[in-house]
Amino acid sequence: AQSVTQLGSHVSVSEGALVLLRCNYSSSVPPYLFWYVQYPNQGLQLLLKYTSAATLVKGINGFEAEFKKSETSFHLTKPSAHMSDAAEYFCAVSEGRTSYDKVIFGPGTSLSVIP
Amino acid sequence: NAGVTQTPKFQVLKTGQSMTLQCAQDMNHEYMSWYRQDPGMGLRLIHYSVGAGITDQGEVPNGYNVSRSTTEDFPLRLLSAAPSQTSVYFCATTQGSYNEQFFGPGTRLTVL
Repeated sequence: AQSVTQLGSHVSVSEGALVLLRCNYSSSVPPYLFWYVQYPNQGLQLLLKYTSAATLVKGINGFEAEFKKSETSFHLTKPSAHMSDAAEYFCAVSEGRTSYDKVIFGPGTSLSVIP
Repeated sequence: NAGVTQTPKFQVLKTGQSMTLQCAQDMNHEYMSWYRQDPGMGLRLIHYSVGAGITDQGEVPNGYNVSRSTTEDFPLRLLSAAPSQTSVYFCATTQGSYNEQFFGPGTRLTVL
């Protein structure tokens, strides 16, 4: 079964600084990888997804993630943090290719942006 | 399109009480699921359904019951609430070629 780890339960960055949130999946290559964002008191929404079409994936709000098979990683980055980026971020993997396959979520990383 | 809706938004229960968390979707998706979110543990799958009349257990099903009589609705029942069930509950649907999930706004449940 797949598993997901996210290094750092809490990350703080200054406004305008680089955002780097780390995600590693278990050794077998998952068909799909996701990053979801959760703003305070809201549900999760999709930030971006990897579907094997390209290793560098661009998402909403200036975020992107790079799939690296050799490192079993799918880290999320944004060149310049904005105050509105403060939220909880979840990395997730799909166990299969169909909509009936389970999605496994990491524990989440809380991002704080310091003015 | 409302997407995925959940009621209530907040609920306080006493130990031993029962209640039903409602989830409805207007996206005509077959797959629906319930998660609970606890600090530092991400989202854990409670139950899921691949279509009307079909449900199955997820990672943490104990103390919860589900049914799926229609495509639109997927209620989650707490049979006898316990303090360990204090959590935020999310309903989600899945569609499309890439298993993308759509989440409801959540129900924050406190069991005293």
